[in-house]
Amino acid sequence: DAKTTQPTSMDCAEGRAANLPCNHSTISGNEYVYWYRQIHSQGPQYIIHGLKNNETNEMASLIITEDRKSSTLILPHATLRDTAVYYCIVRVNTGNQFYFGTGTSLTVIP
Amino acid sequence: DADVTQTPRNRITKTGKRIMLECSQTKGHDRMYWYRQDPGLGLRLIYYSFDVKDINKGEISDGYSVSRQAQAKFSLSLESAIPNQTALYFCATSEVGGGGELFFGEGSRLTVL
Repeated sequence: DAKTTQPTSMDCAEGRAANLPCNHSTISGNEYVYWYRQIHSQGPQYIIHGLKNNETNEMASLIITEDRKSSTLILPHATLRDTAVYYCIVRVNTGNQFYFGTGTSLTVIP
Repeated sequence: DADVTQTPRNRITKTGKRIMLECSQTKGHDRMYWYRQDPGLGLRLIYYSFDVKDINKGEISDGYSVSRQAQAKFSLSLESAIPNQTALYFCATSEVGGGGELFFGEGSRLTVL
């Protein structure tokens, strides 16, 4: 599975959109991009995933570049409860394992 | 009740003791996983199982063993605990089809003195 690169930390003002980038330049054609978040020391929570088209659900939007070498997770109206570590993972959706990096620590500021 | 339940949630033990962490799930998923998380780090895969008769090593399996007693139960054992196994342990499940996303338990915090 391809590796990902994310910024270590980011801040976002409450009510504003949080845009979290992820680079995955070695992604293969059959690998999906997944996003999870971990609030404090709770179990990670699934947010969204996609292959090449942009995706949106009730939690977030996922924008994948045309060459699929990078993506952005968008939280449209960040709240204090969105403060968490966000993990970007690429893998084949029938693949064996998820490999978690160190993620991006997002702090939403009042 | 949680779909993925881990017991115990917290455990303090001494070096050399045998420890078992248990995981049970009500999601009906075939795939189960054990992850370890150290402070400030991401999750690392210890073992995973795709069905009752299938056990696979992950990134960091040394010092650990697992047992898949039933579709719903997956246990992690430390035969002789050592201090550097102090960590937060997570169990997770996933289904074979669909998006393949993982569903995590609430974690088991283990301290080895």
